[in-house]
Amino acid sequence: GAGVSQSPRYKVAKRGQDVALRCDPISGHVSLFWYQQALGQGPEFLTYFQNEAQLDKSGLPSDRFFAERPEGSVSTLKIQRTQQEDSAVYLCASSFSGQGAYGYTFGSGTRLTVV
Amino acid sequence: AQSVTQLGSHVSVSEGALVLLRCNYSSSVPPYLFWYVQYPNQGLQLLLKYTTGATLVKGINGFEAEFKKSETSFHLTKPSAHMSDAAEYFCAVRSQGNQFYFGTGTSLTVIP
Repeated sequence: GAGVSQSPRYKVAKRGQDVALRCDPISGHVSLFWYQQALGQGPEFLTYFQNEAQLDKSGLPSDRFFAERPEGSVSTLKIQRTQQEDSAVYLCASSFSGQGAYGYTFGSGTRLTVV
Repeated sequence: AQSVTQLGSHVSVSEGALVLLRCNYSSSVPPYLFWYVQYPNQGLQLLLKYTTGATLVKGINGFEAEFKKSETSFHLTKPSAHMSDAAEYFCAVRSQGNQFYFGTGTSLTVIP
């Protein structure tokens, strides 16, 4: 597609519920990133894929967070047993290359509210 | 380690006035520097970037930024503010790794 598509745009989850957030990157983009943006803060890195390989997951805050990109295109960020502190906007970004000085194209994000 | 400091979480300017949003970075290696803009309920849009070469970088919507190595700064400017410039602005640094490090953002208000 023309841009990075994320779904759903908004998600309300009860505490303890599992959620799955989807990212559809720009076609042909090799690199895919997930960021977490808390209210009033800048985005913080969660994880990075190059094709289907998850090369960096150092930013995932706990083992309740899991991301996958099985075919090197669409990615899913899964959060198990959601907690209130997981409430944030989850941004996906993709890039043609993981190398060099490319800026990323960001999606509009999924706003997760845990109640 | 890399980090970004944006001075001033809120900046207000009059329409037609100069916009100056400050960004200082910390990086152990020559950085790549970026400015992104975020409108309400939208993702981040790239305004401009510095990689190598000319230190004065021009971006979209009349914005520009100058990389000053001696000051470790990458301030964003626009000569004349428009109402449509009201948004959240994020400075980011990226060095040898793949991830960006973002500042906490500056909210720009344009007063008619």
